This record gives sequence, C-alpha cells and structure tokens, in this order.
Amino acid sequence: GAGVSQSPSNKVTEKGKDVELRCDPISGHTALYWYRQSLGQGLEFLIYFQGNSAPDKSGLPSDRFSAERTGGSVSTLTIQRTQQEDSAVYLCASSRTGQITGELFFGEGSRLTVL
Amino acid sequence: GQSLEQPSEVTAVEGAIVQINCTYQTSGFYGLSWYQQHDGGAPTFLSYNALDGLEETGRFSSFLSRSDSYGYLLLQELQMKDSASYFCAVSAGRRALTFGSGTRLQVQP
Repeated sequence: GAGVSQSPSNKVTEKGKDVELRCDPISGHTALYWYRQSLGQGLEFLIYFQGNSAPDKSGLPSDRFSAERTGGSVSTLTIQRTQQEDSAVYLCASSRTGQITGELFFGEGSRLTVL
Repeated sequence: GQSLEQPSEVTAVEGAIVQINCTYQTSGFYGLSWYQQHDGGAPTFLSYNALDGLEETGRFSSFLSRSDSYGYLLLQELQMKDSASYFCAVSAGRRALTFGSGTRLQVQP
C-alpha cells in the first residue's frame, strides 16, 4: 500500500478483555515497530521486528502484551486482560531497513480506550 | 540506558525563528532524527543527522554536535501550521529509535 495502515482506528473495550491491533506496513519495508503514546506524552517503544531476526521485545510493559509478524509483513499486537492504564494510541511504523537513516513511516495509530 | 531531554513547550510568533534543543545520552550512537506531530496525527519525519553540522531543508534546519551529545531543530519564517509537537529521537546500536518526550510549539499570530 501507499502508507502504513492500522486497524482498528478506534477501539473501546472493557477491562479484562483481550484486544488485537493490526498493522500493515509499507510494501518492501523489512523493519516494523510498535510504539505507544499516551495523551500529550512521548512515544514509548514496545517491540521491533527486523527481517527474519528475533524481535526486540524489550519495550513490552508486561507479559499481557505480545506481537507477531507473519510472512515478514502484517503484524498483530495483542493485549490480554486489558487494564485501564493500557489506554493509549498504539502506533505502528515501518522502515526500509534498520535505523540507518532514522526515518520511520508511521501509521495513523489505533486509539485504545479501556473502560 | 538511553535518555533524551527537550523543552516541553515553546511559544513564538508568526514569521519568527525558533530553536528546539535536544540533549541525549546513549551508547552506540548513530544519529539524531526529528519528527513533527500535529494533534491527532501521525508523527512525520523531518530530518536526520549522523554527522556534525547543519542540515537545511527549506524552512527547517537541524544541527548535531556528537561531541556535546546535542542537537537542535531550527524553524524559520514560522507559520501557523507549524504549531505541533516536535520530537527528537536517537538511533543507537541495533535498537529501535528512542524518542524524547516532545516539545509542543505554539505559533501565535
């Protein structure tokens, strides 16, 4: 596609439910990133996929969070047993390779609200 | 670990010049990036500095001093549409980009 696509754009869920957020990166981009942004805050790194290498999961805040990337393309971020503090905008980004140019292409994000 | 410091808010008037500073601490530094984010929008890439010096792209310029672990974004001829949040971010090692907490720029008429 022309840009990074994320779905859903908005998700409202009840505390304790599981949610899945999807990211479709730019075609040909080998690197994919998930960040989280709370209102008025910076971007908090969650997880990073680069090609066929093992993902860098060092930013995942708890074991309720997991992510996978199938076929080197689409990625799904799963949050189990959601909590109110999980409410945030979840941003996905992709880049052609790793960090050489520092240029990431971001999607519009998935806004998660946990009631 | 990694850390970045940038001012939380800056206010300037239309037509003026504003500088947003960023200091960082990291190991394995590759480069410093800048991103712009309008309210409700996605962050968009502005610039990347891997070497010391000034990079100019239209009204925006970015500077890096590796020895001082310091950089800045310079916005000239400010326009109302420049009101947004600006984030510096470091590339280091094999890690994902680490972002600062952002500087909210308000341009006044």
